[in-house]
Amino acid sequence: SQTIHQWPATLVQPVGSPLSLECTVEGTSNPNLYWYRQAAGRGLQLLFYSVGIGQISSEVPQNLSASRPQDRQFILSSKKLLLSDSGFYLCAWNRGAQAEQYFGPGTRLTVT
Amino acid sequence: GENVEQHPSTLSVQEGDSAVIKCTYSDSASNYFPWYKQELGKGPQLIIDIRSNVGEKKDQRIAVTLNKTAKHFSLHITETQPEDSAVYFCAAPSLHDKIIFGKGTRLHILP
Repeated sequence: SQTIHQWPATLVQPVGSPLSLECTVEGTSNPNLYWYRQAAGRGLQLLFYSVGIGQISSEVPQNLSASRPQDRQFILSSKKLLLSDSGFYLCAWNRGAQAEQYFGPGTRLTVT
Repeated sequence: GENVEQHPSTLSVQEGDSAVIKCTYSDSASNYFPWYKQELGKGPQLIIDIRSNVGEKKDQRIAVTLNKTAKHFSLHITETQPEDSAVYFCAAPSLHDKIIFGKGTRLHILP
């Protein structure tokens, strides 16, 4: 069966520090991968998605970036965090938009 | 591209009663409609989905109905229980393998 992992589970970082969040998927190959951000009590904001290694589409211009160095690995990064980057970051995968999408457990990021 | 509207944003029902959450979509080409349940501090979990070749799908106490003509689909939860309290999201596929989510419904089950 397929599983999706995210780490770390929680993170507290000062403003201006770098960020690296990792997501890996097991049990499938060539998945579509997605990064979402969820502010407290709010909906899901799509940040980036990838349909293959090295292929990244950005939905929202901001100080975040994403990379896909391996088929089942998706990384969210920032060179300098802002207070507004705080939130719950979710990674997800599917086999196409017409197929089931599965979410990871999320990373709670607090920028202080 | 697709646009998904979800109502209500908050819903409170007595334990044992039924809850209904409704979504509308804009792209008539969409043919897959999932529902997700998100508990506090966790990632959303797929609970039920429906494809456009059927009008209704049931799984124990939850069901989803689809009206392609009107472009809306609904989640029905019967005999609600405390563990049904959560945020529920509907979704529909959009261009380029994106999925568009509704803004969510916070469901409170009252004792």
